[in-house]
Amino acid sequence: NAGVTQTPKFRVLKTGQSMTLLCAQDMNHEYMYWYRQDPGMGLRLIHYSVGEGTTAKGEVPDGYNVSRLKKQNFLLGLESAAPSQTSVYFCASSFVGSNQPQHFGDGTRLSIL
Amino acid sequence: AQSVAQPEDQVNVAEGNPLTVKCTYSVSGNPYLFWYVQYPNRGLQFLLKYITGDNLVKGSYGFEAEFNKSQTSFHLKKPSALVSDSALYFCVVPPSNTGKLIFGQGTTLQVKP
Repeated sequence: NAGVTQTPKFRVLKTGQSMTLLCAQDMNHEYMYWYRQDPGMGLRLIHYSVGEGTTAKGEVPDGYNVSRLKKQNFLLGLESAAPSQTSVYFCASSFVGSNQPQHFGDGTRLSIL
Repeated sequence: AQSVAQPEDQVNVAEGNPLTVKCTYSVSGNPYLFWYVQYPNRGLQFLLKYITGDNLVKGSYGFEAEFNKSQTSFHLKKPSALVSDSALYFCVVPPSNTGKLIFGQGTTLQVKP
């Protein structure tokens, strides 16, 4: 099993450009999440999904959009990148239930110039 | 509001010595509590969880955690530290059934040979 796979691993964008980060999981998890990790800020939830076709806002959703067209995939889009979105982005997935651990990918390191 | 606190930004331990990484929580009702570890340039990895039952929880890589309801603590422990245990450790609580997580600020563990 690959677990949670994120692509790309690294990317540099110019301000105003758009891009999509892809997350794929092969564990048949219902829930999927996108986080960003910044120095001194810990992990903050951007958006999450409790099932195929459903998404919800997390703690810091502004400037991001998501889609969950297939159960195994969760896409994070930046429509017009800003330097404040420079961060490390992590995708995670889990089974249903708050007692279920989340499984994380290895992250996408995104720099916006 | 539910929260977790990790009072130490960094813990330094000599290899072979026991280690403790501290966590206190503020959760209504009976808490679920997790510990995750993050190695450099990697995603978070689940170590162990407390759901109910025994106050001493055993997890991956020889780690264990002690749940103490009266002190509202969930400290991570290992009897004999390894240099390879050096990483960033997060205490985490899931406040709702959506799968959202509340992260502590993280504690960097440095194990020196």
